Amino acid sequence: GAGVSQSPSNKVTEKGKDVELRCDPISGHTALYWYRQRLGQGLEFLIYFQGNSAPDKSGLPSDRFSAERTGESVSTLTIQRTQQEDSAVYLCASSLDMTGVETQYFGPGTRLLVL
Amino acid sequence: AQSVAQPEDQVNVAEGNPLTVKCTYSVSGNPYLFWYVQYPNRGLQFLLKYITGDNLVKGSYGFEAEFNKSQTSFHLKKPSALVSDSALYFCAVRSGTGGFKTIFGAGTRLFVKA
Repeated sequence: GAGVSQSPSNKVTEKGKDVELRCDPISGHTALYWYRQRLGQGLEFLIYFQGNSAPDKSGLPSDRFSAERTGESVSTLTIQRTQQEDSAVYLCASSLDMTGVETQYFGPGTRLLVL
Repeated sequence: AQSVAQPEDQVNVAEGNPLTVKCTYSVSGNPYLFWYVQYPNRGLQFLLKYITGDNLVKGSYGFEAEFNKSQTSFHLKKPSALVSDSALYFCAVRSGTGGFKTIFGAGTRLFVKA
């Protein structure tokens, strides 16, 4: 079956512009995660969604970052008024997860460059 | 607060030799521990996980990891390294007391030399 897909694969934007990143999880996966990976660094947790529960937004670095998820399907991560420090690879993952112990399946990421 | 430490930025090993990639963690309650691998130009892939039970966990590609509660460690091991094992390895932890937030380590780059 299809894996996690993300779009766009690459995005170049100017400082101050808004960007929207999209994640399509594996069908049937109830949990969806967003991470940020800066060049040469580890994954930084941003947010996760689990079914109809309130999302855990504790990793969002500022109020310029927001994310939405429609039911158990597509999620969008929006960054408003982008800054150069937002340049990174944004990774999405999903899991068939009711207990918190299931494997996360990662998408290929969106590489964001803010000029 | 949860945290993961991978004390080595890079590990170098000769092909055929055993390898160890270190990971220590801090979490409230019982930990759920994971290893993921990132090959060049490819996405993150799951290797193995510890939830409960046997402290020695076996995973993909011949890797295994040992959970040591007293040392709060979850080191990744392989008896005989392959050049194709060269990649970036991430340790991750989630608290067993609830919530789905997963904290990843900074990663360790493994170089296996032929």
